[in-house]
Amino acid sequence: QVQLVESGGGVVQPGGSLRLSCAASGFIFRNYGMHWVRQAPGKGLEWVAFIAKDAYIKQHAGSVKGRFTSSRDNSKNTLYLQMNSLRIEDTAVYYCAKDLDATFDDWGQGTLVTVSS
Amino acid sequence: DIQMTQSPSTLSASVGDRVTFTCRASQSIGTWLAWYQQKPGKAPRLLIYKASTLKSGVPSRFSGSGSGTEFTLTISGLQPDDLATYYCQQYNNYLYTFGQGTKLEI
Repeated sequence: QVQLVESGGGVVQPGGSLRLSCAASGFIFRNYGMHWVRQAPGKGLEWVAFIAKDAYIKQHAGSVKGRFTSSRDNSKNTLYLQMNSLRIEDTAVYYCAKDLDATFDDWGQGTLVTVSS
Repeated sequence: DIQMTQSPSTLSASVGDRVTFTCRASQSIGTWLAWYQQKPGKAPRLLIYKASTLKSGVPSRFSGSGSGTEFTLTISGLQPDDLATYYCQQYNNYLYTFGQGTKLEI
């Protein structure tokens, strides 16, 4: 069965950087686009980034464009999210999700990022 | 950017009821609409995609309909396990937006 396991979350000061990872198993990773979605504490869902199966297409939400970059290593079945210039409002649980017809088909358990001084 | 508006924000219902959630898009999105269920402390779960296609393994009491700007998710025969928040999500040109969610209270 599909498994997505996020890691790399933690506490970081405003202006700092963090790299999240998402280890995928149970499906042919290189055949699927992948997403990052976040959820601030007590709030709704916000899409963050999409990367196509071959990384040829990348798209990021306006709120993170220029600060966050998604990437992937198909040889390691791993998705990444490099987060720079972090802001307090980036505090959230970050989920990775497998794409299915422009939806979020399978989700990881999430990793918490806290931006605080 | 396309905005998604869900109504109501909270819905109270009883076991066995038929409940309907509504989602409106700020412009036409065809049938690029999905519905998710999120239980407290858990990751969301995809229920419906392309407006009306039930994801494999999702109970048949869930159904979706609509196109353009108006969409609905219906639960026929509410079960206690359906207590959750429900989100709609649209896709347009590699940009994705969620509605603010409807919390279902049983």
